[in-house]
Amino acid sequence: DTGVSQNPRHKITKRGQNVTFRCDPISEHNRLYWYRQTLGQGPEFLTYFQNEAQLEKSRLLSDRFSAERPKGSFSTLEIQRTEQGDSAMYLCASSFFGSQGNIQYFGAGTRLSVL
Amino acid sequence: ELKVEQNPLFLSMQEGKNYTIYCNYSTTSDRLYWYRQDPGKSLESLFVLLSNGAVKQEGRLMASLDTKARLSTLHITAAVHDLSATYFCAVALSSGTYKYIFGTGTRLKVLA
Repeated sequence: DTGVSQNPRHKITKRGQNVTFRCDPISEHNRLYWYRQTLGQGPEFLTYFQNEAQLEKSRLLSDRFSAERPKGSFSTLEIQRTEQGDSAMYLCASSFFGSQGNIQYFGAGTRLSVL
Repeated sequence: ELKVEQNPLFLSMQEGKNYTIYCNYSTTSDRLYWYRQDPGKSLESLFVLLSNGAVKQEGRLMASLDTKARLSTLHITAAVHDLSATYFCAVALSSGTYKYIFGTGTRLKVLA
């Protein structure tokens, strides 16, 4: 499978717990984006990487959120001390910067439910 | 701050009918994308429009871009049930991150 892969697909956790999601982009893509989508809304940008460098973070990304992309390959998104408001679908996308259109290809997402 | 608005938010239509979804955005951009999302699934790229007057067609869907009016349209011709999904437009900033700013989506239901 050469698409964007996200794990786990679903995560149920109790408020206050820490969770970590993983994203494996399309192998030759140098840009990786994280978005958050709540029910009935469009995805909202959280952060992005070019290779291993995190170049921008949204104001939506509080101090409880951290993302990494070691070696410019897979990426992880960690949420510490989860809150009920963190419940959402977390989407990862990748693109090859320099390609025409810089189309972002999305993974299936990780649905987080905070109880 | 770039804002993207879609209308209508919900659309219920009969098979065989035509309809248009509108996407308005607030800041200059020449990169606009249309995606489809089925329930519980991820976003599938439909079209990328990169210049004023660009028109792309695939099957019963046709997308166009008017950068001067800051407007894109997604036209559906002779709708079929399989087109039922949520359609998002997204505008990308023309430099830097190229992050997408998404519209709120149009939930389309095609009735047999």
